[in-house]
Amino acid sequence: AQSVTQPDIHITVSEGASLELRCNYSYGATPYLFWYVQSPGQGLQLLLKYFSGDTLVQGIKGFEAEFKRSQSSFNLRKPSVHWSDAAEYFCAVTNTGNQFYFGTGTSLTVIP
Amino acid sequence: NAGVTQTPKFRILKIGQSMTLQCTQDMNHNYMYWYRQDPGMGLKLIYYSVGAGITDKGEVPNGYNVSRSTTEDFPLRLELAAPSQTSVYFCASSYDVARDTQYFGPGTRLTVL
Repeated sequence: AQSVTQPDIHITVSEGASLELRCNYSYGATPYLFWYVQSPGQGLQLLLKYFSGDTLVQGIKGFEAEFKRSQSSFNLRKPSVHWSDAAEYFCAVTNTGNQFYFGTGTSLTVIP
Repeated sequence: NAGVTQTPKFRILKIGQSMTLQCTQDMNHNYMYWYRQDPGMGLKLIYYSVGAGITDKGEVPNGYNVSRSTTEDFPLRLELAAPSQTSVYFCASSYDVARDTQYFGPGTRLTVL
């Protein structure tokens, strides 16, 4: 069965520090991978996605993610975190586009 | 261009009552999805639709029904509300499969007492 694991329930970083959010997936075939962000009381917004080609993908708001097939991982990174990045981050996977599987999310707190 | 809209924003139901959560998109997207989000959990897919007249079950369809008579609308029906259906419900749409971005509505917070 397909699954997505986000090992970190909550992360706290200082403003200006670097950030890495972990995502591991379990999937038989090459998956399509996504990172979404959810601000409080809002719907989800796509940060970036990977489906083929260069394993390092750039997204909006200065985020990037790297697909590592050998580790079944798709970790999200940002070199310098801003206070406005405080939110919930979800990793998601699909192969057909009909069935999406989301991780349980990582809550990010940014300390001034 | 409003994107994906959902109504109502909040609703409290009594056990056994029924209701319909409305979802409309104005982006001419073929694909539409209904998710539920429970506290501390990721989103779970309830139902999806690949076009008008075509719907299929997702991961957690029990207790729900959907229909898709037009491209724009994808209502979610709860027939006999149960406390286990207390959740936040999100509707999403995308133009195409898999690779395409899903656009999410703002959500409906439902409490069943």
